[in-house]
Amino acid sequence: EVQLVESGGGLVQPGGSLRVSCAASGFTFSTYAMAWVRQAPGKGLEWVSGVTGSGGRTRYAESVKGRFTVSRDNSKSTLHLQMNSLRAEDTAIYYCAKGIGDGKFVESDYWGQGTLVTVSS
Amino acid sequence: QSVLTQPPSVSAAPGQKVTISCSGSSSNIGNNYVSWYQQFPGTAPKLLIYENDNRPSGIPDRFSGSKSGTSATLGITGLQTGDEADYYCGTWDSSLTVVVFGGGTKLTVL
Repeated sequence: EVQLVESGGGLVQPGGSLRVSCAASGFTFSTYAMAWVRQAPGKGLEWVSGVTGSGGRTRYAESVKGRFTVSRDNSKSTLHLQMNSLRAEDTAIYYCAKGIGDGKFVESDYWGQGTLVTVSS
Repeated sequence: QSVLTQPPSVSAAPGQKVTISCSGSSSNIGNNYVSWYQQFPGTAPKLLIYENDNRPSGIPDRFSGSKSGTSATLGITGLQTGDEADYYCGTWDSSLTVVVFGGGTKLTVL
């Protein structure tokens, strides 16, 4: 059974940093693209970042480029999102999502339960 | 302001059919596959349709997808009260080189 479990969310001050992680199980992690998608309270979905199975290719939304870094540890089946210089508008539930194949950032067939990141003083 | 345009809401009676549109441009829908997601309040999105018109295993054939030019459509037949949810379209944007989503459509089954 495929499982994605996010962790690391919480309250952080503007300008601060936070790393959220996603522990994956039930599939061969290294052969699938992974993505981070966020949803601000009461708002729609916003794609944040994606990474290919090997970790060799990454993509970022313009709103987080230069501040967020996605990485993966295939030996531990874990996905990370390092978030720096956080802003109030980064407040959202952060979901990790598994692509249906390598390089597939749009089509995500499994999602975690999400972890809430709140940026506030 | 989302790159892809969806109607904020649609409604129909139980048993009826509803369609949800998703409008984009040549840099996104026009040249890339479209996916559709269903999301109930407080839960993660669920993949309904991928690559324009394909259903993952377990998704009933009441749900269908199509694409024409720079627009895509999600169709739901035999509406049930359990279909009340938010629906999102998504695709790759070749100019922005990111995934873009529509603003979402709230389906009400009257």
